Amino acid sequence: DAKTTQPPSMDCAEGRAANLPCNHSTISGNEYVYWYRQIHSQGPQYIIHGLKNNETNEMASLIITEDRKSSTLILPHATLRDTAVYYCIVANTGFQKLVFGTGTRLLVSP
Amino acid sequence: SAVISQKPSRDICQRGTSLTIQCQVDSQVTMMFWYRQQPGQSLTLIATANQGSEATYESGFVIDKFPISRPNLTFSTLTVSNMSPEDSSIYLCSVGANKNTEAFFGQGTRLTVV
Repeated sequence: DAKTTQPPSMDCAEGRAANLPCNHSTISGNEYVYWYRQIHSQGPQYIIHGLKNNETNEMASLIITEDRKSSTLILPHATLRDTAVYYCIVANTGFQKLVFGTGTRLLVSP
Repeated sequence: SAVISQKPSRDICQRGTSLTIQCQVDSQVTMMFWYRQQPGQSLTLIATANQGSEATYESGFVIDKFPISRPNLTFSTLTVSNMSPEDSSIYLCSVGANKNTEAFFGQGTRLTVV
């Protein structure tokens, strides 16, 4: 079973920040938080991952709470091409066996 | 990053037949995985393809239905055997390179069984 809980859908206006929440209250000490997205008819695309510190890359920022029981993926300036299903996954590194939950369907509108 | 090529990208097959899906990676990888995505659903892990040994299957998936080969560190195949319409799904190959790196996915094989 997936170890994460996400809202089923969210809307965002183009150009605004999209903040996607994820609860992972049973995360263990050696598990990372990974975010992937799946644009329609494509394979999942890696976005970002982190252990306990906040992370930022060219695609997004990841904010992990101090107790590590939840996190937020931030797309700072959403575009129409960011419309996708976003998956939050907790997993050990070095194993890469990913258990996907139902994800959040993000719709970015003009 | 790893570049993954899956073949075929899509196919329409008759029930009772079998289809073999190929996954080729542009570099040697330790871990390879096969997932299924049923229409409108999330991804479900079928098995881990182990190089030089039998694949490790997840609950609900068996070798007779989904035989997997992994002859080397860059290639794997998944066969969907004795197909029925319920097997209509997208099948995806995934690779994990090494510790502390992300997993990469192929573009998937869209299978329709009629």
